[in-house]
Amino acid sequence: QGQLVESGGGVVQPGGSLRLTCEASGFIFSGYGMHWVRQAPGKGLEWVALIWFDGSKTYYAESMKGRFTISRDNSKNTLNLQMNSLRPEDTAMYYCARWEGNLRALDIWGQGTMVTVSS
Amino acid sequence: EIVLTQSPGTLSLSPGERATLSCRASQSLTPPLVGYQQLVWYQQKPGQAPRLLIYGASNRATGIPDRFSGSYSGTDFTLTISRLEPEDFAVYYCQQYGGSSAFTFGPGTKVDI
Repeated sequence: QGQLVESGGGVVQPGGSLRLTCEASGFIFSGYGMHWVRQAPGKGLEWVALIWFDGSKTYYAESMKGRFTISRDNSKNTLNLQMNSLRPEDTAMYYCARWEGNLRALDIWGQGTMVTVSS
Repeated sequence: EIVLTQSPGTLSLSPGERATLSCRASQSLTPPLVGYQQLVWYQQKPGQAPRLLIYGASNRATGIPDRFSGSYSGTDFTLTISRLEPEDFAVYYCQQYGGSSAFTFGPGTKVDI
């Protein structure tokens, strides 16, 4: 069925940087687009970014443009999210998720990694 | 940008009752005529990641019980749980993707006891 495991979360000061990683297993990673979705404590889901199966195209939510960079390494089955210039409002659980194009839906989700931006 | 509005914010029901959740899009989903295919429902329980429930507005994902059903009319989408089981008490989100950066979630509906 497939599994996604996020890592790299933690506490960082405002203006700092953090790099999240999502390790995929159990499916052909290079065949799927991948997304990051976040959820602030007690709030709803917010889409962050997506990357095509081959890494050729990336898209971002407006508030993340210029600060976040999504990337992937298909040889290592890993997805990354480089987050710079972090703000307190970036505090959230960050999930990676697989985009199943046939369903047009996020069908596999990781358990998330928590990012806290605080001084 | 298409905005998804979900109602009600909270639905208080008892096991065995029927739950009807609404998701309304601010404009027709794209592409025209088949935009409904972009509408997805997820379920999220406390402390867990979201789980895919319904895709293409009305298709159950693998392993989802048939008490869950989705329907639509124009820009109005509905998730129905025919008879609530204790494990169904959760937050439900609708989501649509129109291509490029046009990826949005609704604010969610909490179904609680």
